[in-house]
Amino acid sequence: AQSVTQPDIHITVSEGASLELRCNYSYGATPYLFWYVQSPGQGLQLLLKYFSGDTLVQGIKGFEAEFKRSQSSFNLRKPSVHWIDADEYFCAALPGAGGTSYGKLTFGQGTILTVHP
Amino acid sequence: DAGVTQSPTHLIKTRGQQVTLRCSPKSGHDTVSWYQQALGQGPQFIFQYYEEEERQRGNFPDRFSGHQFPNYSSELNVNALLLGDSALYLCASSLSWGTQFFGPGTRLTVL
Repeated sequence: AQSVTQPDIHITVSEGASLELRCNYSYGATPYLFWYVQSPGQGLQLLLKYFSGDTLVQGIKGFEAEFKRSQSSFNLRKPSVHWIDADEYFCAALPGAGGTSYGKLTFGQGTILTVHP
Repeated sequence: DAGVTQSPTHLIKTRGQQVTLRCSPKSGHDTVSWYQQALGQGPQFIFQYYEEEERQRGNFPDRFSGHQFPNYSSELNVNALLLGDSALYLCASSLSWGTQFFGPGTRLTVL
C-alpha cells in the first residue's frame, strides 16, 4: 500500500540551530513529493516540491529538501531555525505519471516543531 | 489573485444532521480535492472532482458526497453526522493532476 511516514512526532531545537525533518515513502514507483506547513487550526502552505531532476530542491522561507531514491526519503532541512518556524510540518506524496490513485495526495502523520529561544 | 477560499469557517451540528461545506478554487484551477483532518492527524483524502465528475475517492462512506459546479467551485456534503465526523475539512485546488494548494479549512464540530 502507498504510504508516507514521518518518524518524529515532535522535534525541539534551539533558535539558530540547524533542522532536519525526516520523511520516508513507500510507493511502487517514485511519487511526486511535497512538504507543507500548517499553523494550528489553519490550512496547509506549500514549502517545496519534487517532481524530477535535481534531487536538492529549494523552497520558501529558507527550507530545502533532498530526495534520495536509494533510501526512499525526502528529508526537509533548514540551516538556521527561527522562532517563527515553530509549526507542524507534513510530508506528502502524489502518485507519479502512470501511477494509480492519480490525484490522491497521501500525508505523513506530521512533525510538530518547537523552537526554544 | 485570490487563493482557495472555504466557507463557513466554523460549524456546529448535532448527530444525525446534514452539513454542506463550500470551496472556491484558486483562479485558473479546474480540480478540487477534499480532505478530512482529525485532531493530531495528517489530512485524509476524501475525493477529487474534475470536470464536474468525481475522479478519485478515498476510503470514506457514501455519507460523504460532493459536487463540482461549472465555475469549478465545489461542495462537500455529509449526511447522518456522527461524532467521529468532527474534524477540520480542507479543500485543495489544482490544475488537473498538478500541485495542490489548500484553503484555510472549515472546522466542523458534531455534538
